[in-house]
Amino acid sequence: DAGVIQSPRHEVTEMGQEVTLRCKPISGHNSLFWYRQTMMRGLELLIYFNNNVPIDDSGMPEDRFSAKMPNASFSTLKIQPSEPRDSAVYFCASSLESTVLGYTFGSGTRLTVV
Amino acid sequence: LAKTTQPISMDSYEGQEVNITCSHNNIATNDYITWYQQFPSQGPRFIIQGYKTKVTNEVASLFIPADRKSSTLSLPRVSLSDTAVYYCLVGDRSGGGADGLTFGKGTHLIIQP
Repeated sequence: DAGVIQSPRHEVTEMGQEVTLRCKPISGHNSLFWYRQTMMRGLELLIYFNNNVPIDDSGMPEDRFSAKMPNASFSTLKIQPSEPRDSAVYFCASSLESTVLGYTFGSGTRLTVV
Repeated sequence: LAKTTQPISMDSYEGQEVNITCSHNNIATNDYITWYQQFPSQGPRFIIQGYKTKVTNEVASLFIPADRKSSTLSLPRVSLSDTAVYYCLVGDRSGGGADGLTFGKGTHLIIQP
């Protein structure tokens, strides 16, 4: 298995632009998580899905952030409009819902908003 | 209230055994204890998981006392490549909920020659 695949690996955009991050979970995994990592805040859970359904989005910082999972093999995290404080590494992870704390992370997308 | 507490940083030398302890005083009956490792520019990677007593795999050992209020990750004979951040997670996701999804700040382990 290729693992959790995220794209792009790096993204540099101007403030105010829309940014879309993509994630392909491991085939057969039915839980998907979006995390954001910064030096100040560490790893923060933004939102997670079970069986393509958003379960908890309380970690999404503002309405500018939205996430979708149209099918079991694809998810997006969108920021519109982007701001410099959104600069961070965004990780996607997946797991079997029944797996106790066993998450597989992607390599992340490093977002820089200038 | 933080579910886990672990040292911010530790350092050691190549060839030594390193033990990182995590406190989880409020651990619940169904909670498992899981450790992750994160290298720079990579996502966290699962290392080991346990419920009680001792678990060992090819990478590390996990020691859990009878009261389960703490756990110790043991890395035998570390090398420079073991320099990373180590996270301790406690929770139960058997119901598919959000328990056990919070990563703290982790322990930054630095191995010197």
